[in-house]
Amino acid sequence: EVQLLTSGGGLVRPGGSLRLSCTASGFTFSTYNMHWVRQAPGKGLEWVSYITSGSSYIEYADSVKGRFTVSRDNAKKSLYLQMDNLGAEDTAVYYCAREAGDSGFYFDYWGHGILVTVSS
Amino acid sequence: DIQMAQSPSSLSASVGDTVTITCRASQNIDRYLNWYQQKPGTAPKLLIYVASGVQSGVPSRFSGSGSGTDFTLTISSLQPEDFATYYCQQSYGTRRSFGGGTKVEIK
Repeated sequence: EVQLLTSGGGLVRPGGSLRLSCTASGFTFSTYNMHWVRQAPGKGLEWVSYITSGSSYIEYADSVKGRFTVSRDNAKKSLYLQMDNLGAEDTAVYYCAREAGDSGFYFDYWGHGILVTVSS
Repeated sequence: DIQMAQSPSSLSASVGDTVTITCRASQNIDRYLNWYQQKPGTAPKLLIYVASGVQSGVPSRFSGSGSGTDFTLTISSLQPEDFATYYCQQSYGTRRSFGGGTKVEIK
């Protein structure tokens, strides 16, 4: 069974940092591109970041570029999101998602989501 | 960046109704358009991929169509479990942007 387990969320003060982790099981993690998506309270989905299977290509939304860093460790079957200089606008539930790419590109499995709250 | 516009932002419907949600891309995205369903407190669930492909396990009352810039999600014979928020997403560009969502509520 495919599972994506997210950890590392919580309450952080403005300007602070947090590192999210997403640990995969049930599939060959090293062969899949991965994404982070977030959802502010009561709002829609916002794509955040993308990393290819071998980390050769990385992309960020403008809203987080220069502050967030995505990485992965295929040996540990883990995806990471280092979030620095956090602001209130970063308060959201963060999801990791696996991207299938056999006949197109789509997020076929999602993690359960983890809440990040930025507040003083 | 590719912008995705969904309409309507919300709608009220009854069990048994047919519901149509539209999504428009700011540029040609071929058929690289996906649809997700999200219920409160849960992660989104893939319904439709590449415009019209139905994800395994998704009921056949869900269907998608379109290409280029205009796409449609149709739910035939709406069921109680279908009341949720629906999002389109483009996967033509590497920044996989989402539409603003359509909340389907019970009339």
